[in-house]
Amino acid sequence: EADIYQTPRYLVIGTGKKITLECSQTMGHDKMYWYQQDPGMELHLIHYSYGVNSTEKGDLSSESTVSRIRTEHFPLTLESARPSHTSQYLCASSERLGYTFGSGTRLTVV
Amino acid sequence: DAKTTQPPSMDCAEGRAANLPCNHSTISGNEYVYWYRQIHSQGPQYIIHGLKNNETNEMASLIITEDRKSSTLILPHATLRDTAVYYCIVSAGGTSYGKLTFGQGTILTVHP
Repeated sequence: EADIYQTPRYLVIGTGKKITLECSQTMGHDKMYWYQQDPGMELHLIHYSYGVNSTEKGDLSSESTVSRIRTEHFPLTLESARPSHTSQYLCASSERLGYTFGSGTRLTVV
Repeated sequence: DAKTTQPPSMDCAEGRAANLPCNHSTISGNEYVYWYRQIHSQGPQYIIHGLKNNETNEMASLIITEDRKSSTLILPHATLRDTAVYYCIVSAGGTSYGKLTFGQGTILTVHP
């Protein structure tokens, strides 16, 4: 039973559209993360947050933005989607003992 | 965080033990060794972590050398469902726990 939820699971969208990928967790974790992963490739950290109103850019530059208004919610937004944004986006939260990942959103921009 | 080195791929027969090595020669005193795995394109799953003592849980055992420069993840009786990419990550733990950097990992293939 998942304690961290990502929606949608799959998304196909046209170039130029604005999209928001949702991520929610019910564990009360302060720390949350967004990773991007192309098929067969490494996971790259693109954003993270250590609490409400705290957001930081990750190791891989991304045109997406994030917000953290509530502890349980960490949405990722692309203002104008492009084919280069086609990828899988994985959300995670953490406490002392480890990360919990969501099932991911597989985004295709056509 | 210290860098880790893992073999790109390994094979294992079903029912046998799978021993996955990891080198982390630049690990510092406050850094833990974490193991995660990723099955297909699902989100990575936490397996086990340790500081300097060997650890065991229901999924696996973690053996860390005395100098902490390398470790081995042991799946005692591998099944087909253990086929996955296994990531060894070194990161500061406890209250300093934060972002993890995933490398390329080891692709473990379990054969019937």
